[in-house]
Amino acid sequence: AQKITQTQPGMFVQEKEAVTLDCTYDTSDPSYGLFWYKQPSSGEMIFLIYQGSYDQQNATEGRYSLNFQKARKSANLVISASQLGDSAMYFCAMKGVFTGGGNKLTFGTGTQLKVEL
Amino acid sequence: DTGVSQNPRHKITKRGQNVTFRCDPISEHNRLYWYRQTLGQGPEFLTYFQNEAQLEKSRLLSDRFSAERPKGSFSTLEIQRTEQGDSAMYLCASSRDRTNEKLFFGSGTQLSVL
Repeated sequence: AQKITQTQPGMFVQEKEAVTLDCTYDTSDPSYGLFWYKQPSSGEMIFLIYQGSYDQQNATEGRYSLNFQKARKSANLVISASQLGDSAMYFCAMKGVFTGGGNKLTFGTGTQLKVEL
Repeated sequence: DTGVSQNPRHKITKRGQNVTFRCDPISEHNRLYWYRQTLGQGPEFLTYFQNEAQLEKSRLLSDRFSAERPKGSFSTLEIQRTEQGDSAMYLCASSRDRTNEKLFFGSGTQLSVL
Protein backbone atom coordinates (compact mmCIF):
# COMPACT_ATOMS: atom_id res chain seq x y z
CA ALA A 1 0.00 0.00 0.00
CA GLN A 2 1.05 3.57 -0.58
CA LYS A 3 0.83 6.38 1.93
CA ILE A 4 1.44 10.10 1.66
CA THR A 5 1.90 12.18 4.81
CA GLN A 6 1.63 15.94 4.94
CA THR A 7 2.17 17.05 8.52
CA GLN A 8 1.51 20.77 8.09
CA PRO A 9 -2.23 21.47 8.08
CA GLY A 10 -1.58 25.18 7.57
CA MET A 11 1.32 27.45 6.68
CA PHE A 12 1.76 31.20 6.51
CA VAL A 13 4.34 33.00 4.40
CA GLN A 14 4.96 36.62 3.60
CA GLU A 15 4.74 37.80 0.04
CA LYS A 16 8.02 37.45 -1.88
CA GLU A 17 9.42 34.98 0.64
CA ALA A 18 10.13 31.30 -0.07
CA VAL A 19 8.16 28.52 1.61
CA THR A 20 8.64 24.77 1.91
CA LEU A 21 5.71 22.40 2.12
CA ASP A 22 6.58 19.00 3.55
CA CYS A 23 5.66 15.63 2.10
CA THR A 24 6.82 12.17 3.10
CA TYR A 25 5.76 8.96 1.46
CA ASP A 26 5.81 5.25 1.95
CA THR A 27 5.62 2.66 -0.79
CA SER A 28 6.83 -0.81 -1.65
CA ASP A 29 6.97 0.01 -5.34
CA PRO A 30 10.49 -0.01 -6.82
CA SER A 31 9.53 2.77 -9.21
CA TYR A 32 7.13 5.60 -8.56
CA GLY A 33 6.23 9.16 -9.41
CA LEU A 34 5.57 12.05 -7.08
CA PHE A 35 3.25 14.93 -7.93
CA TRP A 36 2.21 18.20 -6.37
CA TYR A 37 -1.17 19.78 -7.05
CA LYS A 38 -2.63 23.13 -6.03
CA GLN A 39 -6.32 23.47 -5.19
CA PRO A 40 -7.62 27.04 -4.97
CA SER A 41 -10.98 27.78 -3.39
CA SER A 42 -12.61 27.25 -6.79
CA GLY A 43 -11.99 23.52 -6.32
CA GLU A 44 -10.02 22.62 -9.44
CA MET A 45 -6.82 20.65 -8.88
CA ILE A 46 -3.94 22.26 -10.78
CA PHE A 47 -0.81 20.25 -11.57
CA LEU A 48 2.40 21.94 -10.42
CA ILE A 49 5.37 19.59 -10.65
CA TYR A 50 6.41 15.96 -11.12
CA GLN A 51 9.41 13.93 -9.89
CA GLY A 52 10.21 10.41 -10.99
CA SER A 53 11.88 8.15 -8.45
CA TYR A 54 14.81 7.47 -10.78
CA ASP A 55 15.26 11.06 -11.93
CA GLN A 56 18.79 12.18 -11.10
CA GLN A 57 17.95 15.82 -10.64
CA ASN A 58 15.32 17.55 -8.58
CA ALA A 59 12.43 18.81 -10.66
CA THR A 60 11.85 22.52 -11.21
CA GLU A 61 8.96 24.35 -12.87
CA GLY A 62 9.26 28.12 -12.73
CA ARG A 63 8.90 29.20 -9.08
CA TYR A 64 8.26 25.61 -7.98
CA SER A 65 10.97 23.13 -7.15
CA LEU A 66 10.82 19.72 -5.59
CA ASN A 67 13.36 18.81 -2.93
CA PHE A 68 13.50 15.05 -3.45
CA GLN A 69 15.40 13.01 -0.85
CA LYS A 70 14.86 9.39 -1.76
CA ALA A 71 16.60 7.88 1.27
CA ARG A 72 14.39 9.93 3.57
CA LYS A 73 11.32 9.28 1.42
CA SER A 74 10.54 12.96 1.27
CA ALA A 75 9.41 15.15 -1.60
CA ASN A 76 9.05 18.66 -0.29
CA LEU A 77 7.68 21.45 -2.48
CA VAL A 78 9.55 24.75 -2.44
CA ILE A 79 7.75 27.85 -3.69
CA SER A 80 10.05 30.80 -4.25
CA ALA A 81 9.00 34.45 -4.28
CA SER A 82 5.50 33.76 -2.93
CA GLN A 83 2.60 35.66 -4.44
CA LEU A 84 -0.86 36.36 -3.05
CA GLY A 85 -2.27 34.07 -5.74
CA ASP A 86 -0.34 31.17 -4.24
CA SER A 87 -2.80 31.05 -1.34
CA ALA A 88 -4.47 27.67 -1.76
CA MET A 89 -4.50 24.07 -0.61
CA TYR A 90 -1.49 22.04 -1.76
CA PHE A 91 -1.55 18.28 -2.17
CA CYS A 92 1.30 15.85 -2.53
CA ALA A 93 0.45 12.67 -4.45
CA MET A 94 2.17 9.57 -5.72
CA LYS A 95 1.76 6.79 -8.22
CA GLY A 96 3.54 3.43 -8.01
CA VAL A 97 4.45 1.27 -10.95
CA PHE A 98 2.57 -1.69 -9.47
CA THR A 99 0.01 0.00 -7.27
CA GLY A 100 -0.84 3.00 -9.42
CA GLY A 101 -2.67 1.33 -12.24
CA GLY A 102 -3.50 3.71 -15.06
CA ASN A 103 -1.76 6.61 -13.34
CA LYS A 104 -4.07 6.39 -10.34
CA LEU A 105 -2.81 8.76 -7.64
CA THR A 106 -2.75 8.48 -3.86
CA PHE A 107 -3.05 11.90 -2.20
CA GLY A 108 -2.02 13.32 1.15
CA THR A 109 -4.32 15.38 3.35
CA GLY A 110 -2.96 18.66 2.08
CA THR A 111 -1.43 21.87 3.44
CA GLN A 112 -3.37 25.13 3.42
CA LEU A 113 -0.98 27.92 2.43
CA LYS A 114 -1.78 31.55 3.17
CA VAL A 115 0.38 34.28 1.64
CA GLU A 116 0.32 37.54 3.58
CA LEU A 117 1.32 41.06 2.62
CA ASP B 1 -6.79 21.87 -24.20
CA THR B 2 -10.35 22.89 -23.42
CA GLY B 3 -10.08 21.34 -19.97
CA VAL B 4 -12.11 18.77 -18.08
CA SER B 5 -15.73 19.80 -17.67
CA GLN B 6 -18.03 18.58 -14.91
CA ASN B 7 -21.75 19.11 -14.51
CA PRO B 8 -23.48 20.12 -12.40
CA ARG B 9 -21.18 22.21 -10.18
CA HIS B 10 -23.49 21.79 -7.23
CA LYS B 11 -26.19 19.26 -6.42
CA ILE B 12 -28.47 19.25 -3.39
CA THR B 13 -30.63 16.20 -2.92
CA LYS B 14 -32.67 14.47 -0.29
CA ARG B 15 -31.56 11.24 1.28
CA GLY B 16 -32.75 8.27 -0.72
CA GLN B 17 -32.79 10.05 -4.08
CA ASN B 18 -30.64 9.09 -7.04
CA VAL B 19 -28.15 11.53 -8.54
CA THR B 20 -26.05 11.48 -11.69
CA PHE B 21 -22.97 13.52 -12.49
CA ARG B 22 -21.35 14.02 -15.86
CA CYS B 23 -17.71 14.45 -16.82
CA ASP B 24 -16.35 15.48 -20.21
CA PRO B 25 -12.61 14.81 -20.37
CA ILE B 26 -10.03 16.46 -22.57
CA SER B 27 -10.80 15.08 -26.00
CA GLU B 28 -7.58 13.21 -26.74
CA HIS B 29 -7.32 11.64 -23.28
CA ASN B 30 -7.96 7.91 -23.13
CA ARG B 31 -8.00 7.63 -19.36
CA LEU B 32 -10.71 9.00 -17.10
CA TYR B 33 -10.78 8.93 -13.30
CA TRP B 34 -13.32 9.64 -10.60
CA TYR B 35 -12.24 10.79 -7.15
CA ARG B 36 -14.15 11.79 -4.04
CA GLN B 37 -12.98 14.52 -1.70
CA THR B 38 -14.43 15.28 1.72
CA LEU B 39 -13.73 18.41 3.74
CA GLY B 40 -10.16 18.59 5.00
CA GLN B 41 -9.04 15.52 3.09
CA GLY B 42 -7.23 14.79 -0.10
CA PRO B 43 -9.03 13.23 -3.05
CA GLU B 44 -9.68 9.50 -2.77
CA PHE B 45 -9.68 7.30 -5.84
CA LEU B 46 -13.00 5.76 -6.84
CA THR B 47 -12.57 4.29 -10.32
CA TYR B 48 -10.90 4.72 -13.68
CA PHE B 49 -11.53 3.96 -17.33
CA GLN B 50 -9.24 3.23 -20.22
CA ASN B 51 -11.39 4.27 -23.15
CA GLU B 52 -14.78 2.61 -22.44
CA ALA B 53 -13.39 -0.14 -20.21
CA GLN B 54 -13.66 0.31 -16.45
CA LEU B 55 -10.35 -1.16 -15.31
CA GLU B 56 -10.35 -0.57 -11.57
CA LYS B 57 -12.84 0.20 -8.82
CA SER B 58 -12.00 1.20 -5.27
CA ARG B 59 -13.54 -0.52 -2.27
CA LEU B 60 -15.04 2.92 -1.58
CA LEU B 61 -17.32 2.38 -4.56
CA SER B 62 -20.23 0.59 -2.94
CA ASP B 63 -23.00 -1.16 -4.87
CA ARG B 64 -24.96 2.08 -4.87
CA PHE B 65 -22.34 3.71 -7.08
CA SER B 66 -22.01 3.04 -10.78
CA ALA B 67 -19.88 4.70 -13.40
CA GLU B 68 -20.01 4.41 -17.14
CA ARG B 69 -18.09 5.69 -20.13
CA PRO B 70 -20.16 4.23 -22.95
CA LYS B 71 -18.31 5.50 -25.99
CA GLY B 72 -14.96 6.22 -24.43
CA SER B 73 -15.67 9.93 -24.30
CA PHE B 74 -17.79 11.44 -21.51
CA SER B 75 -18.49 9.57 -18.29
CA THR B 76 -21.32 9.49 -15.80
CA LEU B 77 -21.24 8.65 -12.11
CA GLU B 78 -24.56 7.65 -10.57
CA ILE B 79 -25.29 7.29 -6.89
CA GLN B 80 -28.47 5.45 -6.01
CA ARG B 81 -30.35 5.86 -2.72
CA THR B 82 -28.08 8.63 -1.55
CA GLU B 83 -27.00 8.79 2.08
CA GLN B 84 -25.74 11.75 4.09
CA GLY B 85 -22.30 10.19 4.08
CA ASP B 86 -22.20 10.59 0.31
CA SER B 87 -21.94 14.36 0.73
CA ALA B 88 -18.60 15.30 -0.81
CA MET B 89 -16.90 16.86 -3.80
CA TYR B 90 -16.75 14.45 -6.73
CA LEU B 91 -13.79 15.17 -8.96
CA CYS B 92 -13.20 13.88 -12.46
CA ALA B 93 -9.79 13.80 -14.10
CA SER B 94 -8.36 12.64 -17.39
CA SER B 95 -4.96 11.81 -18.77
CA ARG B 96 -3.21 10.31 -21.74
CA ASP B 97 -2.31 6.65 -21.50
CA ARG B 98 1.38 7.08 -20.86
CA THR B 99 3.16 6.16 -17.65
CA ASN B 100 3.32 8.91 -15.04
CA GLU B 101 1.30 11.20 -17.21
CA LYS B 102 -0.17 14.03 -15.15
CA LEU B 103 -3.87 14.13 -14.44
CA PHE B 104 -5.99 17.09 -15.49
CA PHE B 105 -8.87 17.70 -13.10
CA GLY B 106 -12.25 19.31 -13.51
CA SER B 107 -13.73 21.73 -10.98
CA GLY B 108 -15.80 19.01 -9.39
CA THR B 109 -19.43 18.46 -8.44
CA GLN B 110 -20.26 19.34 -4.85
CA LEU B 111 -22.96 16.99 -3.57
CA SER B 112 -24.98 17.79 -0.47
CA VAL B 113 -27.37 15.13 0.80
CA LEU B 114 -29.96 16.45 3.21
